[in-house]
Amino acid sequence: EIVLTQSPGTLSLSPGERATLSCRASHSVSNNYLGWYQQKPGQAPRLLIYGASNRATGIPDRFSGSGSGTDFTLTISRLEPEDFAVFYCQQYDTSSITFGQGTRLDIK
Amino acid sequence: EVQLVESGGDLVQPGGSLRLSCAASGFPFNTYWMSWVRQAPGKGLEWVANINQDGSEKHYVDSVRGRFTISRDNAKTSLYLQMNSLRAEDMAMYFCARDHRAPGIFFESWGQGALVTVSP
Repeated sequence: EIVLTQSPGTLSLSPGERATLSCRASHSVSNNYLGWYQQKPGQAPRLLIYGASNRATGIPDRFSGSGSGTDFTLTISRLEPEDFAVFYCQQYDTSSITFGQGTRLDIK
Repeated sequence: EVQLVESGGDLVQPGGSLRLSCAASGFPFNTYWMSWVRQAPGKGLEWVANINQDGSEKHYVDSVRGRFTISRDNAKTSLYLQMNSLRAEDMAMYFCARDHRAPGIFFESWGQGALVTVSP
């Protein structure tokens, strides 16, 4: 099983700033099968990025994903007030699917 | 519009059983992998199980294998999760999720969840 470790645990930033969230895998993620999700309180998660760098339908272009192998990054170029939430990375590896523990993005 | 509506969540005693359902609409249900993902109170996300388009392939997280069974009825466009021998650690919100079309498994659409409470 691939373990995903996200950092930092909490990130405090102001609207307009740039956010960089990290996701590190215990083993190489095959074919870059790595996704990112945003979850707001009381809501289901929303898919932001799939295949490490592809934006899901309807996701603003201020969200971008990068990385390969064991190191992946989600970048939000200019934070909007609605972006503050918890973010999870997720990987798929031949019938095993795991999530990271999450990064909480707070308003500073 | 894609809709996934879970039902069947309830309070159950340890060792008990429960069956969750997910009614799907707005897309060709029989052409997508489907999954159950859970979230314990105040915790992160955990994938539980998934099933392929015709139900012939199923996968489970180790902690539920042998206790939970995922199934689907394409005629009724519904997904199910039969949960037996429930434990305190199974208490969570259970989300039904539809796969994305991209290679790999990513969860593009989600229901609002069904709450399972395991307590004496």
